[in-house]
Amino acid sequence: DAGVIQSPRHEVTEMGQEVTLRCKPISGHDYLFWYRQTMMRGLELLIYFNNNVPIDDSGMPEDRFSAKMPNASFSTLKIQPSEPRDSAVYFCASSFDRGGMNTEAFFGQGTRLTVV
Amino acid sequence: LAKTTQPISMDSYEGQEVNITCSHNNIATNDYITWYQQFPSQGPRFIIQGYKTKVTNEVASLFIPADRKSSTLSLPRVSLSDTAVYYCLVGVFSGGYNKLIFGAGTRLAVHP
Repeated sequence: DAGVIQSPRHEVTEMGQEVTLRCKPISGHDYLFWYRQTMMRGLELLIYFNNNVPIDDSGMPEDRFSAKMPNASFSTLKIQPSEPRDSAVYFCASSFDRGGMNTEAFFGQGTRLTVV
Repeated sequence: LAKTTQPISMDSYEGQEVNITCSHNNIATNDYITWYQQFPSQGPRFIIQGYKTKVTNEVASLFIPADRKSSTLSLPRVSLSDTAVYYCLVGVFSGGYNKLIFGAGTRLAVHP
């Protein structure tokens, strides 16, 4: 397996534009996580899915952020409209549930988003 | 979820053993302790996980005392490439689901 694949790797957009980040989890994994990382706030969990169902989106900063997982092999994180403070590295991760133990999550390379 | 406390930063030199301790006083009975490593410009990477006593793999060892209120990640003979941020996670299993919450981590700098 090629691991967790995120696209694009880099995104530069103007304030007010819609941004869509994409993630392909590892085949067979039933958890998918979206994180945002900044120097100030560290690694923040935004939302996670189990079997394509959103379980906890309490980390989503505001209504401008939305995430979907239409099937087991694809997820999107959308920001509309984007703002400069959304600039960060966004990571997607996936894992396989083994009943609480061995919760090894595999992370993608991240998408570096810059909103100007 | 159990709160974790670990040093913000540590410095070491090549060839030395590095021990990073994480405190988790309110760890629950069913909680596992997991450590991740993150290099600059990369996502975190799983290092090791344990429940009690000692766990060792090809990368590190994890020591967990009997009361499980702390744990120590041990990196033998570090090299410059071990410079990274190390995260301790506890209580990732919440409400029947795996919820991976990362703290601030420990920034390890290995010097020549």
